[in-house]
Amino acid sequence: DVKVTQSSRYLVKRTGEKVFLECVQDMDHENMFWYRQDPGLGLRLIYFSYDVKMKEKGDIPEGYSVSREKKERFSLILESASTNQTSMYLCASSPQGITSTDTQYFGPGTRLTVL
Amino acid sequence: GQNIDQPTEMTATEGAIVQINCTYQTSGFNGLFWYQQHAGEAPTFLSYNVLDGLEEKGRFSSFLSRSKGYSYLLLKELQMKDSASYLCAAWDSNYQLIWGAGTKLIIKP
Repeated sequence: DVKVTQSSRYLVKRTGEKVFLECVQDMDHENMFWYRQDPGLGLRLIYFSYDVKMKEKGDIPEGYSVSREKKERFSLILESASTNQTSMYLCASSPQGITSTDTQYFGPGTRLTVL
Repeated sequence: GQNIDQPTEMTATEGAIVQINCTYQTSGFNGLFWYQQHAGEAPTFLSYNVLDGLEEKGRFSSFLSRSKGYSYLLLKELQMKDSASYLCAAWDSNYQLIWGAGTKLIIKP
């Protein structure tokens, strides 16, 4: 079974703090993704990565950065947390190639609250 | 622009059948996914359709009409554990996933 783990299920931070969200997958997947999920808005892609040290902006990258130093680990960084970044953050991974019909595997999510 | 539309919330009775609709507008199309997400948990894959027609998987079936930009998820013999949000997502021409906001399904005894 594919396993995607995230460092925290719940996190509370203060405005202006630097926040690190870690994601690790154990299936040697090339692709990794960071989403945020807010009520009524669905999943919105923040950043994704197709390979080590490679990153691409998603739909809402402002206020975030990412790091992928190892294949299994994809980190999301909030340089200076703001209250509008309070959200559920979901990490996902998928194998390379378009023939995989079961696409993305998700981690359990991190519910971040910024006070 | 690219867009996925699905109802916000639906209610159904245990043992009944429910159909959750999804319409999509994408730049190109390479298939449509349905995911299930229980409250506070991660989405889990249910189905993938790329050709027109009905795909059946036990109590769950998914239908696609590419010409109409339309899909539905059909859940039969509803159980209380089916209470969840159901997310529709489409692959565009670049294999980027475009997500709908999800349909919250409430099952009543």
